Amino acid sequence: AQSVTQPDIHITVSEGASLELRCNYSYGATPYLFWYVQSPGQGLQLLLKYFSGDTLVQGIKGFEAEFKRSQSSFNLRKPSVHWSDAAEYFCAVSTTSGTYKYIFGTGTRLKVLA
Amino acid sequence: NAGVTQTPKFRVLKTGQSMTLLCAQDMNHEYMYWYRQDPGMGLRLIHYSVGEGTTAKGEVPDGYNVSRLKKQNFLLGLESAAPSQTSVYFCASKKAQETQYFGPGTRLLVL
Repeated sequence: AQSVTQPDIHITVSEGASLELRCNYSYGATPYLFWYVQSPGQGLQLLLKYFSGDTLVQGIKGFEAEFKRSQSSFNLRKPSVHWSDAAEYFCAVSTTSGTYKYIFGTGTRLKVLA
Repeated sequence: NAGVTQTPKFRVLKTGQSMTLLCAQDMNHEYMYWYRQDPGMGLRLIHYSVGEGTTAKGEVPDGYNVSRLKKQNFLLGLESAAPSQTSVYFCASKKAQETQYFGPGTRLLVL
């Protein structure tokens, strides 16, 4: 069965510092992988996705993620965090055929210090 | 295109009452999903549909029913609401090999 682990419930960084949010997954093959961001009281916004090909994926708002098959990981990175990046971040995996169901991680809440 | 819309945006129910949440999409998507989001638990799949007239159970289906009579609509029903169903409900839709598009959510409070 698929599963997703986001080991960090909360992360605090200073504005301008670099950021890495961790995501590990369990799946029998290479899944589709996603990162979403959610501001308080808002819906989910897709940051980036990995379907196949280049394992370094560029997304919106200056975010990138790297798929590492050997580590079953899909970590999200940003070189310089802005105060507006404070939000909750969710990693998700999906099957690549059939039902395309998503399994979400439990989320990482990012706090940005001025 | 309106994308994925959800009705209502917010609702308060008393224990035992029933209600239906409506999800509508205008993108001709085959697949539709209902999730619930609770603090610290991410989004969990309640029910889903792979096409008009089909539905299937997800991870947390108990206490909910769904129907997909029209391709563009996916209804989530609560027959007898319980306080444990207080949550934020998200609908999503997609085409095969594409990402899911999410609606804005419905906040439900069951007293």
